Amino acid sequence: AQSVTQPDIHITVSEGASLELRCNYSYGATPYLFWYVQSPGQGLQLLLKYFSGDTLVQGIKGFEAEFKRSQSSFNLRKPSVHWSDAAEYFCAVGNNNDMRFGAGTRLTVKP
Amino acid sequence: DAGVIQSPRHEVTEMGQEVTLRCKPISGHDYLFWYRQTMMRGLELLIYFNNNVPIDDSGMPEDRFSAKMPNASFSTLKIQPSEPRDSAVYFCASSFRQGTSPLHFGNGTRLTVT
Repeated sequence: AQSVTQPDIHITVSEGASLELRCNYSYGATPYLFWYVQSPGQGLQLLLKYFSGDTLVQGIKGFEAEFKRSQSSFNLRKPSVHWSDAAEYFCAVGNNNDMRFGAGTRLTVKP
Repeated sequence: DAGVIQSPRHEVTEMGQEVTLRCKPISGHDYLFWYRQTMMRGLELLIYFNNNVPIDDSGMPEDRFSAKMPNASFSTLKIQPSEPRDSAVYFCASSFRQGTSPLHFGNGTRLTVT
C-alpha cells in the first residue's frame, strides 16, 4: 500500500530565508504526487503536482518541488519565504484507486 | 467557478442532536469525498462517491454517520446522534478522477458538540 511521510511536524524560518519541506513516499510504481497548502480556517489548496516528465515542477506562489525517484522523495522548496506563507503543508501520493496524505508540516515564519 | 461550497461554516450542537453537513461539488467533477480533520488524527477520509454512488465508506467511524449524494450537485453527511468526540472540521472535496487528479476542497464545517 502506498504511504506518505512528512518527517517534520513543525518548521520555523525567518522571512526572506529559503525553505525546504520534506516528503517521502512508498509506492511500487511511478506515483502521482501533490503538494497542498492549508491556511487557517480554510480547506487545502493545490500548490503543484507531478505526474511525469520534467522532475522539477513549478507551482503557485513561487513554490517548486523536485521528484527524485532514487530517494522516493518529493520535497517542496521556495527560495525566499514571505510571512503569508505561514500555513500547514500536506504532501499527497495517488494512484488510480487512492490518494494518501502525509500528516502535514506546520510552517511558522519569523519576522 | 465558485469552487466546492460547504454549509454551514460552523455548527455548535448538543450531544445527542442530529447534525447535517452539506456540500456542493464543482460541476463536472465525478468524484466527491468527505474528510474529517482533527489535531489528534489529522486528515481522515470518511467516504467517497463516484457518479453519486458510494464507493468506499470504510472510513466512516460508526453507524451514527451516514452520507448521501442524491444528485451530482449535492451531498450530505449526517451524524445522528452526535457525540463530543465528533467535534472536528469536516471537509468536502471533489475531483475529476480518483487519486490521479487534484482534489478541490471546500472551506470546511467546524463542528463542536457539547
